[in-house]
Amino acid sequence: DTGVSQDPRHKITKRGQNVTFRCDPISEHNRLYWYRQTLGQGPEFLTYFQNEAQLEKSRLLSDRFSAERPKGSFSTLEIQRTEQGDSAMYLCASSRSGELVYGYTFGSGTRLTVV
Amino acid sequence: AQKVTQAQTEISVVEKEDVTLDCVYETRDTTYYLFWYKQPPSGELVFLIRRNSFDEQNEISGRYSWNFQKSTSSFNFTITASQVVDSAVYFCALSVLLTGGGNKLTFGTGTQLKVEL
Repeated sequence: DTGVSQDPRHKITKRGQNVTFRCDPISEHNRLYWYRQTLGQGPEFLTYFQNEAQLEKSRLLSDRFSAERPKGSFSTLEIQRTEQGDSAMYLCASSRSGELVYGYTFGSGTRLTVV
Repeated sequence: AQKVTQAQTEISVVEKEDVTLDCVYETRDTTYYLFWYKQPPSGELVFLIRRNSFDEQNEISGRYSWNFQKSTSSFNFTITASQVVDSAVYFCALSVLLTGGGNKLTFGTGTQLKVEL
């Protein structure tokens, strides 16, 4: 159990470019979440997967954002045509069904800077 | 709608002082969970405690203690005899159930705690 891994840790991109982030949850965790955290704020919920099914999406997730979790294992979050307002820390978390005692396990995040 | 308010943006204390971080929440749900997370400079959110809405018993874990008062919708966190390693941003969060049984966390804006020698 190596925890939740996110790649890359940092990403700098030019406005208008597409970026993709990857999250590898803890292997036995069937639930996976994406959050976004801007400077000085708490994390905000973006989307949630149970196995490969995306069951919930926040209004924050505009049409430029898409998340996938093929085969219910790792997940990717893609942002198309990035804007400066997309600059934030993108956090992934995972949990197992019925296991709420310890909350989620969060990854260390991917920090996106759009220039 | 769910809301979590952490009115204290930043607190500075001297090592060994006790410090209390305030958290006030709003929800219409009768069943919910409250959490505290620690975010050190490395960025990873570290789980500290969960409390469900039916359990108002206070909890102590080492130097940490939590006071949950449903009547005032508060879930405050006290660190006794603070240490420099306690320096971090602390988040209070409220959990609601999602489709399929997952849960969504609504976080407060966090309290930056600085413990100085």
